[in-house]
Amino acid sequence: DVKVTQSSRYLVKRTGEKVFLECVQDMDHENMFWYRQDPGLGLRLIYFSYDVKMKEKGDIPEGYSVSREKKERFSLILESASTNQTSMYLCASSGQGWNNEQFFGPGTRLTVL
Amino acid sequence: GENVEQHPSTLSVQEGDSAVIKCTYSDSASNYFPWYKQELGKGPQLIIDIRSNVGEKKDQRIAVTLNKTAKHFSLHITETQPEDSAVYFCAASAMNTGFQKLVFGTGTRLLVSP
Repeated sequence: DVKVTQSSRYLVKRTGEKVFLECVQDMDHENMFWYRQDPGLGLRLIYFSYDVKMKEKGDIPEGYSVSREKKERFSLILESASTNQTSMYLCASSGQGWNNEQFFGPGTRLTVL
Repeated sequence: GENVEQHPSTLSVQEGDSAVIKCTYSDSASNYFPWYKQELGKGPQLIIDIRSNVGEKKDQRIAVTLNKTAKHFSLHITETQPEDSAVYFCAASAMNTGFQKLVFGTGTRLLVSP
């Protein structure tokens, strides 16, 4: 059974803290993605990676960075968390090809106080 | 860039009725249109997709139609069941981006009442 796992389901952090969200996939997928999901806004792409050590900005990269040191792991980093980064964060992975299915993790609900 | 609009934002139906969710897109280069279903506490899951060389695709009780001229596509669910209750997202992607960059709609919360 294919799987995308995220390190935490719920996370509470303070403003200004550095936050790491981890994502691991077991499908040997080349592509990995980070989205944030907000009510009324749908899913918005933050960053994606098409290979180890490669990354591309999505539609809302400001305030975020990513790291992909190994093929199966993709990390989202909030250098200095702010309250407007309170959201649900979803990780996804897919195989090569522009129309391959994206498999999503269960999400991490991050609250920044 | 691509913009995807989705309507309605909420939809309530009785069990057994049909449900239709509509999406429009702006980029004529988009040629791949997946639909995802997100159940409570879970990540979205692909339920059906359509490519621009096809006008309609069916899979049991669900179907998707695509009108390239009007730039809109729709999800049709027949004989709805309570387990169809979820949030549904449409998305669009263009092969010419080089990578699979999906642009999602804002979601439709479907509630099927017994």
